[in-house]
Amino acid sequence: AQRVTQPEKLLSVFKGAPVELKCNYSYSGSPELFWYVQYSRQRLQLLLRHISRESIKGFTADLNKGETSFHLKKPFAQEEDSAMYYCALWGGANNLFFGTGTRLTVIP
Amino acid sequence: SAVISQKPSRDICQRGTSLTIQCQVDSQVTMMFWYRQQPGQSLTLIATANQGSEATYESGFVIDKFPISRPNLTFSTLTVSNMSPEDSSIYLCSVSRQGPNEKLFFGSGTQLSVL
Repeated sequence: AQRVTQPEKLLSVFKGAPVELKCNYSYSGSPELFWYVQYSRQRLQLLLRHISRESIKGFTADLNKGETSFHLKKPFAQEEDSAMYYCALWGGANNLFFGTGTRLTVIP
Repeated sequence: SAVISQKPSRDICQRGTSLTIQCQVDSQVTMMFWYRQQPGQSLTLIATANQGSEATYESGFVIDKFPISRPNLTFSTLTVSNMSPEDSSIYLCSVSRQGPNEKLFFGSGTQLSVL
């Protein structure tokens, strides 16, 4: 079965500190992983995809198939990074499986 | 990008009634999806809206409860029928030009409360 786990519902870090939002997945095939973000009073939007290997707003995420993880990282958190972050997995067909999300708060 | 207009943005409904949610996209898109996000839960795919044919429903969702229309490539509706308090949720329209493994664009959501 396909599943995405985000173990932290809430995460608070100080401005300038490193941040890591955890995501683990369960999938027997070759997955495609995504991070979506929802800023306050805005709609959900794509932050990054693992296959594009790009860094968006200073965030990166590496797919670790051995640990079945796709953690989102940023070396220096900014206040504008405060948002709800969702990890998602595509395992084929039309379904994108989302985790329950982590609310990140960056403390000034 | 794709600009999605979803309405209503919120509604409070009585048990046993139905609500139709509209999703309008500013350009033609291949795929349109309807998601539900219950309080404290993740986003769950209800169905894929197919243009000109019946929607494809995910496990646990049926057409009688969530009838969907998609008359063209820019518009879709989701109806929540015979509502109960358990249907209180956020309903999201989402579109993709190719598939969910490409970029998904989301509407602003419909916050539904059923009394």
